[in-house]
Amino acid sequence: SAVISQKPSRDICQRGTSLTIQCQVDSQVTMMFWYRQQPGQSLTLIATANQGSEATYESGFVIDKFPISRPNLTFSTLTVSNMSPEDSSIYLCSAGAGQNTEAFFGQGTRLTVV
Amino acid sequence: EDKVVQSPLSLVVHEGDTVTLNCSYEVTNFRSLLWYKQEKKAPTFLFMLTSSGIEKKSGRLSSILDKKELFSILNITATQTGDSAIYLCAVERVDYKLSFGAGTTVTVRA
Repeated sequence: SAVISQKPSRDICQRGTSLTIQCQVDSQVTMMFWYRQQPGQSLTLIATANQGSEATYESGFVIDKFPISRPNLTFSTLTVSNMSPEDSSIYLCSAGAGQNTEAFFGQGTRLTVV
Repeated sequence: EDKVVQSPLSLVVHEGDTVTLNCSYEVTNFRSLLWYKQEKKAPTFLFMLTSSGIEKKSGRLSSILDKKELFSILNITATQTGDSAIYLCAVERVDYKLSFGAGTTVTVRA
């Protein structure tokens, strides 16, 4: 499977600021997704990053709070905007090339908002 | 709404024991079921299951899917302390979106 480089690995941010997380895949992939894992919980899908068009958000997540870019088939960013302590989570990007290929994950970003 | 239920939520075993983790699901437009191991942040892939009754094996780990009864089992034999982790079950839909279970925390004591 391909390798995803995700950065930053961790960050501590002040409330009210924004953080942009980047994911770079070492090969072209059809699908890219962003997940959140709040403390003690499992992964929840935030949105599908669509290449060349607006991301598709899941219920409970909105573009103003989590703007996503995907300019090509190997790169995507997620911004966590106007952060509050409730945004403290692990954020993970994932990618899959399609049929018969498993979804694989970046290394994750541990975000703490103070 | 898709539902993935894992059991038990946690267990503690001793080295050499065998563990069986369960995952039941309800999902529309099923494509596959995946098992991941999470030790720090990133889940690492273990198995992808698409067909019923075909066991997949990797070393001491094995898994099987029952698409009629909508469940999967992950077995770990001869457990080692390095097997201590959260094991996540996820169901993939035809649009490649994943729904995760809550995970099973496995602790292996020496």
